[in-house]
Amino acid sequence: QSALTQPASVSGSPGQSITISCTGTSSDVGSYNLVSWYQQYPGKAPKLMIYEVRLRPSGVSGRFSGSKSANTASLTISGLRAEDEADYYCCSYAGGYSYVFGSGTKVTVL
Amino acid sequence: EVQLLESGGGLVQPGGSLRLSCATSGFTFGNFAMDWVRQAPGKGLEWVSSIVATGSGTFYADSVKGRFTISRDNSKNMLFLQMNSLRAEDTALYYCVKVRSQDAFDIWGQGTMVTVSS
Repeated sequence: QSALTQPASVSGSPGQSITISCTGTSSDVGSYNLVSWYQQYPGKAPKLMIYEVRLRPSGVSGRFSGSKSANTASLTISGLRAEDEADYYCCSYAGGYSYVFGSGTKVTVL
Repeated sequence: EVQLLESGGGLVQPGGSLRLSCATSGFTFGNFAMDWVRQAPGKGLEWVSSIVATGSGTFYADSVKGRFTISRDNSKNMLFLQMNSLRAEDTALYYCVKVRSQDAFDIWGQGTMVTVSS
């Protein structure tokens, strides 16, 4: 399984919206509505932000939203804040109880 | 409070073995699949292995298949990863992760570092 493709970096000014793409194949992202997104601060464990493409766990801000079209999933952060500066990873179920992560995107708040 | 606490990491020579443990609390361990996810220094996340709630099914990434063995003790709320024939490319922070419902990893431990070097 090759890693899902994400842009290495995305940046935006406070208050703006940014979108991170996550491109897989018809064997993973395209086959299952089981895409999740994780936020990771330096030196910290990842935190689940979105599951099943667009659902938010309790406690996650509504500024985070997810979507999917064909083999590409996306995470949008609206009303960008300084605290959103972190690394973000997508992940897709790939069948047979296996998973594949994205390459990761560093979000910078200008 | 749900907690996952990994242990067992360390420095090991190429070809050596290590056994990682994960002590869990705050949820009904036997009801959930559990996984190991690793992160090499400065790199991204990589799924390593899964075990179903009953322990009757185990699954591995191609990169570790035949060398790593995942197991669990539901009576003690513990998850394990036996790592044999370790290679330099296995050097990483290993996270114990709870699976929400085959769809996402909702709880992560803080990780235990494994370094494979001579």
